[in-house]
Amino acid sequence: DAGVTQSPTHLIKTRGQHVTLRCSPISGHKSVSWYQQVLGQGPQFIFQYYEKEERGRGNFPDRFSARQFPNYSSELNVNALLLGDSALYLCASSQQGVAETQYFGPGTRLLVL
Amino acid sequence: QKEVEQNSGPLSVPEGAIASLNCTYSDRGSQSFFWYRQYSGKSPELIMFIYSNGDKEDGRFTAQLNKASQYVSLLIRDSQPSDSATYLCAVNRRVGNEKLTFGTGTRLTIIP
Repeated sequence: DAGVTQSPTHLIKTRGQHVTLRCSPISGHKSVSWYQQVLGQGPQFIFQYYEKEERGRGNFPDRFSARQFPNYSSELNVNALLLGDSALYLCASSQQGVAETQYFGPGTRLLVL
Repeated sequence: QKEVEQNSGPLSVPEGAIASLNCTYSDRGSQSFFWYRQYSGKSPELIMFIYSNGDKEDGRFTAQLNKASQYVSLLIRDSQPSDSATYLCAVNRRVGNEKLTFGTGTRLTIIP
């Protein structure tokens, strides 16, 4: 079975631009979570979606938004990019979305210039 | 106080020895605990999870949990050079906002 997939793998943007990152969960998994990992730090929770509804939100500004589609894939949107948004963005999927084991995709590496 | 604390290392262990990685957490409501391995430039890969006090073994890996001391550890027996990576400890509450809270990771180097 395919694991979690994310696209694109790498992205370069300039300050003020908008970016959309995409994630497809493992087949049969209904929960998707998004994390931001800055170099040298552990991943930081951004959002969790389960059955197309937001289940949790981390301490990120409103420039960050996400949604989940009927096929359980998900998008993370970031508006008005700042230099500090440069990071590895990770998507993780789990079956039930309640304290279940989460499996990470390969990530999207975003560089903001 | 950080929610999840790990010694950032680097931790150097000779090949064939036991590597011991430690993690403490501050939230007594934490219910599930995970160890992820992350190679440089890659995404985290799940190694083990543990929910109950005591030890859980899987191959060369043993996770240990002590909820009273708010302490979780990972032992790697017969360490191999391929075990060289950053090891991330993560905790999760079972109620409310479901999220993994990660430590900053411990960089482990296995010396041949």
